[in-house]
Amino acid sequence: EAGVTQFPSHSVIEKGQTVTLRCDPISGHDNLYWYRRVMGKEIKFLLHFVKESKQDESGMPNNRFLAERTGGTYSTLKVQPAELEDSGVYFCASSWTEDTEAFFGQGTRLTVV
Amino acid sequence: DQQVKQNSPSLSVQEGRISILNCDYTNSMFDYFLWYKKYPAEGPTFLISISSIKDKNEDGRFTVFLNKSAKHLSLHIVPSQPGDSAVYFCAARDQKTSYDKVIFGPGTSLSVIP
Repeated sequence: EAGVTQFPSHSVIEKGQTVTLRCDPISGHDNLYWYRRVMGKEIKFLLHFVKESKQDESGMPNNRFLAERTGGTYSTLKVQPAELEDSGVYFCASSWTEDTEAFFGQGTRLTVV
Repeated sequence: DQQVKQNSPSLSVQEGRISILNCDYTNSMFDYFLWYKKYPAEGPTFLISISSIKDKNEDGRFTVFLNKSAKHLSLHIVPSQPGDSAVYFCAARDQKTSYDKVIFGPGTSLSVIP
């Protein structure tokens, strides 16, 4: 069974540009989460989808971040325009239910220069 | 303010010895605790968990101890192996909330020296 996959694995963009990260959850997992780890600090929650609906987006830092999960399958996280402080590793995770442990993707390392 | 703290950013241990990774938390509502292991260029993978109704949970070489009164937990790995070298994240949640409310610590990088 394929795990959670994220694309790209690395992205280097200039400040002010737009970047879109993609996450493909484990097939059948209704719950999809985005997290971010900045500068080796703790992994912080960004938002949670249940199918195509945003269950909780309290962790989204500001309106430059837009997450979508059309059709309830894969999800995208767009950063527009990117700022230097957006650099970090963005993890996606998915789970069967809200109560079960989530499986993480390998992460996308975003560097804004 | 960090609710889950891992005060040792790194730890080096000789192969075959015990590795002890520590974690402290501040939120008394947390009642479920998890440890994740992360290799470079990979996502965190679930390792072991413990509910607050227990004070110990063991899985092979990995044991987690919970001291609720001290709001402290630790992960013991014995014997340590070079393949255990990774970053270990402590995480905590209130079981009445959904998984997205899991709070992660900053991680401890473990190096097991052959």
